[in-house]
Amino acid sequence: EAQVTQNPRYLITVTGKKLTVTCSQNMNHEYMSWYRQDPGLGLRQIYYSMNVEVTDKGDVPEGYKVSRKEKRNFPLILESPSPNQTSLYFCASSPKYRDRGVSGNTIYFGEGSWLTVV
Amino acid sequence: QKEVEQNSGPLSVPEGAIASLNCTYSDRGSQSFFWYRQYSGKSPELIMSIYSNGDKEDGRFTAQLNKASQYVSLLIRDSQPSDSATYLCAVKVTNFGNEKLTFGTGTRLTIIP
Repeated sequence: EAQVTQNPRYLITVTGKKLTVTCSQNMNHEYMSWYRQDPGLGLRQIYYSMNVEVTDKGDVPEGYKVSRKEKRNFPLILESPSPNQTSLYFCASSPKYRDRGVSGNTIYFGEGSWLTVV
Repeated sequence: QKEVEQNSGPLSVPEGAIASLNCTYSDRGSQSFFWYRQYSGKSPELIMSIYSNGDKEDGRFTAQLNKASQYVSLLIRDSQPSDSATYLCAVKVTNFGNEKLTFGTGTRLTIIP
């Protein structure tokens, strides 16, 4: 089954305590990205990756880091979390543009990770 | 100006009626347009994608695109209570292989039985 798996799904942490949200996809997709969703602000892209070792900033990268050492994994790292990073986070993946064929531009989302920083 | 704008709603529509959701975008280089449905606390689910001007129909859903007016809409015919959700409009721009998908803030739709 095609899946994007995020962990943890729910986390309450304290300010300044480093944390990592993992993301893994089993579809051999090149393109992966992280979004955060906040009331009234919609989904905003944090970082994206076009392939292994290729990452770039999205619209709201401050306070976050990512890495793409393997094709299937794209972890999101909060080095020193702050309360304004309390949000719902989604990881997403999709095939490379030229490989999409009839599947078009389908983007697969993980189930989301609820993060609270106190 | 926001890159992708939607009315936040809530939009209330009687069961069986047509729900009309609208979206405007600012980047004329936008190439692909999507509608996602999101139930509360769940991940977005792709409903429709459209790439060229005109209408595209899939079951009870019709997406409409007008690139000259930078406008994309979603019609839901014979609305059902299960259609109650937030609908997200998303626009993609591709430059030199890099892609950016930008979402609107979403329109909350309620279907009244």
